[in-house]
Amino acid sequence: QQQVKQSPQSLIVQKGGISIINCAYENTAFDYFPWYQQFPGKGPALLIAIRPDVSEKKEGRFTISFNKSAKQFSLHIMDSQPGDSATYFCAASGGATNKLIFGTGTLLAVQP
Amino acid sequence: KAGVTQTPRYLIKTRGQQVTLSCSPISGHRSVSWYQQTPGQGLQFLFEYFSETQRNKGNFPGRFSGRQFSNSRSEMNVSTLELGDSALYLCASSYGLAGAGEQYFGPGTRLTVT
Repeated sequence: QQQVKQSPQSLIVQKGGISIINCAYENTAFDYFPWYQQFPGKGPALLIAIRPDVSEKKEGRFTISFNKSAKQFSLHIMDSQPGDSATYFCAASGGATNKLIFGTGTLLAVQP
Repeated sequence: KAGVTQTPRYLIKTRGQQVTLSCSPISGHRSVSWYQQTPGQGLQFLFEYFSETQRNKGNFPGRFSGRQFSNSRSEMNVSTLELGDSALYLCASSYGLAGAGEQYFGPGTRLTVT
């Protein structure tokens, strides 16, 4: 129940395309769902986050879609750029779980 | 506002030794969490300190310990190092408890155990 399942493990997208990364959770008490971006040699950087009271949140080219009934959330990167090439982690927390539970990460490569 | 800083950035130790890593949170943040990142296990939660008290602990052996000072700076100690402890150790700070909202990560300390 504590797991956050992330897919795909790796993703190759052409420049200008849409990158989509999916996560699923089981613990219905989770109420905070952030996405982190990590470049090699750096720590993860908070990208965007959502709470269950909304189904979508957009910040620039990054959008989180949230489906409470399916217990799934996804990250969409519009107009993907080579500079977006990084590892992306979804995470969740809430209820008695006072810590972030991370997905296993998605290595995104945007080809020019 | 300065970000989360970690020292040292790189460390090489020998099996059986102990090591202490340091983390300075963002000014005003009261919570510091520590994570271990490895290619095989991903990001694993070690523990969280809030107002000098350990609030949460992950599934790591007692060789891993930490503390937090009154200025919110935190240290993590690993005793009797094993080869499997080689990893990137990340700390993250937040204003409130770690699970409640935004956490900001430092650049990490790369520990290599030989």
